[in-house]
Amino acid sequence: SQQGEEDPQALSIQEGENATMNCSYKTSINNLQWYRQNSGRGLVHLILIRSNEREKHSGRLRVTLDTSKKSSSLLITASRAADTASYFCATDSANSKLTFGKGITLSVRP
Amino acid sequence: KAGVTQTPRYLIKTRGQQVTLSCSPISGHRSVSWYQQTPGQGLQFLFEYFSETQRNKGNFPGRFSGRQFSNSRSEMNVSTLELGDSALYLCASSTGQQSSYNSPLHFGNGTRLTVT
Repeated sequence: SQQGEEDPQALSIQEGENATMNCSYKTSINNLQWYRQNSGRGLVHLILIRSNEREKHSGRLRVTLDTSKKSSSLLITASRAADTASYFCATDSANSKLTFGKGITLSVRP
Repeated sequence: KAGVTQTPRYLIKTRGQQVTLSCSPISGHRSVSWYQQTPGQGLQFLFEYFSETQRNKGNFPGRFSGRQFSNSRSEMNVSTLELGDSALYLCASSTGQQSSYNSPLHFGNGTRLTVT
């Protein structure tokens, strides 16, 4: 079963708008990571947030983590057509596996 | 620094055959993980190797096996292929000093396996 589940499953926005994607998980974690995957390619690591951190920034990306609600969000500001991709959250669970959600498909319309 | 290299990029096999996929991690990375990606199931963890030892294993049948060599290169093997094994197989490497994933995974572009 999936540890992390992203929401929504698909998101379509206009270039320049912000995109917010959410991830919920079931068990306690050490850290949570977000990845991006362009069609037919491997995943690219975006950001890692540790369980004792609440917010992290990287360029146009902002990630928050709420361990009390077992949820995280990824915000992409001022989106570009090149941001069109699938986005995955991944959590390390008690059995030491890095488990990925099923992903969110983001489409940014020019 | 060269990225993670997976070969071959595409593979077509027939049911009942076996297949071997190869992965060369980033230089200096000692942990290699394998994932199966399908539209229905998403990314499913297969196994992880660290310093030639399997450190963790997912819920896949024994037809799926792997190994890691002393130079950290890894191979996975699938025997007696089934139609449902058609997927994108992704390999990822990390420094992986500990079993918890506190460092990013670096993925290759995968091997697209089609079983007919």
